[in-house]
Amino acid sequence: DQQVKQNSPSLSVQEGRISILNCDYTNSMFDYFLWYKKYPAEGPTFLISISSIKDKNEDGRFTVFLNKSAKHLSLHIVPSQPGDSAVYFCAAPTGNQFYFGTGTSLTVIP
Amino acid sequence: EAGVAQSPRYKIIEKRQSVAFWCNPISGHATLYWYQQILGQGPKLLIQFQNNGVVDDSQLPKDRFSAERLKGVDSTLKIQPAKLEDSAVYLCASSPYGGAYEQYFGPGTRLTVT
Repeated sequence: DQQVKQNSPSLSVQEGRISILNCDYTNSMFDYFLWYKKYPAEGPTFLISISSIKDKNEDGRFTVFLNKSAKHLSLHIVPSQPGDSAVYFCAAPTGNQFYFGTGTSLTVIP
Repeated sequence: EAGVAQSPRYKIIEKRQSVAFWCNPISGHATLYWYQQILGQGPKLLIQFQNNGVVDDSQLPKDRFSAERLKGVDSTLKIQPAKLEDSAVYLCASSPYGGAYEQYFGPGTRLTVT
């Protein structure tokens, strides 16, 4: 049962433009969401999070938007840089469980 | 601050053999997680420890997988016997206290079962 879904396996963006990564969820009990970034041969690293009481959280070039009614969140990266090329996972905890999406591979083209 | 350490980084075994993975979390982190990440999928939580006690192991295939965290620090994950479908990256993560959602991941152990 895939409670957190990332329907786009890959995304290519030109350097300097905006990258938008999307994530959908099915469990209305989720009240906190996280984005992780993963480079090859490394473990995921925490990027940014958002509580369900907010609809936006910003940290430098990274902004996460949450639309609870649509059960949808998105990560915006602007401007995109080649070093942002990685796999991005959205995740949500509930109880003692953590659910990760399948990831979106972002390629930023110089 | 040293990160989460895992060893080995790579392991190739034949099916029905046994294998063990080791994890050393960030110093002082009370909570430790083991994840299985199959190619093309997101990490799947297998077991969560709070200090040396198990918080959740509902997704751990207990007929073949076992894990322990002695003294509330290092942890080992064992598979006995391994199956072909166990081929995956096994990730260890830690967080400073229970309820902290941001986890710090190690580099993972890539297991190939032939």
